[in-house]
Amino acid sequence: EVQLVESGGGLVKPGGSLRLSCAASGFTFSSYSMNWVRQAPGKGLEWVSSISSSSSYIYYADSVKGRFTISRDNAKNSLYLQMNSLRAEDTAVYYCARDKVQQLVLNYYYYMDVWGKGTTVTVSS
Amino acid sequence: DIQMTQSPSSLSASVGDRVTITCRASQSISSYLNWYQQKPGKAPKLLIYAASSLQSGVPSRFSGSGSGTDFTLTISSLQPEDFATYYCQQSYSTLRQTFGGGTKVEIK
Repeated sequence: EVQLVESGGGLVKPGGSLRLSCAASGFTFSSYSMNWVRQAPGKGLEWVSSISSSSSYIYYADSVKGRFTISRDNAKNSLYLQMNSLRAEDTAVYYCARDKVQQLVLNYYYYMDVWGKGTTVTVSS
Repeated sequence: DIQMTQSPSSLSASVGDRVTITCRASQSISSYLNWYQQKPGKAPKLLIYAASSLQSGVPSRFSGSGSGTDFTLTISSLQPEDFATYYCQQSYSTLRQTFGGGTKVEIK
């Protein structure tokens, strides 16, 4: 069964740090780009960061750039998100999601086809 | 960044109704548009990719259309399990992927 399981969430004070993990199973992790997506309480989805299969390409939302670092360990089938200088507005459920690419005609289309259940991060004093 | 605007933000409908949700991009994104369904306390689920391709296992009552800046998600006959929040997402800019604000479909 294809599965993603996040862990590492919790309560942290403003300015603190937290490292999230996402364990992948049931597919060849090293062949896929991966994403972190978050959802603040009662709000919509916000893309946070992406990393290519070999870690060659890494992208961040402006809201986390310079504070968060995405990484992966293909040998351990794991994705990570190091979160530093946390703010109250970082409070959210954080999901990891697999990036799937599909070729249709001459174009390549990307979408997030597998999601974890999420881990909750609360930033509060 | 490409902004994605969904309308309406919420709607009330009855079982059996035809439901249409609209998503508009701030610039042309060709067909790089995906739709997700999310139920309370659950992770999002992919419904439609590339604007109109149905994800495997998704009921055929769901369909997507559009290209450029204007897109539509249609549920042809609303079922009890379809009451959820729906999000569009552009993948035209992989450097800055963005989601729409969501459309909550509620029971009338």
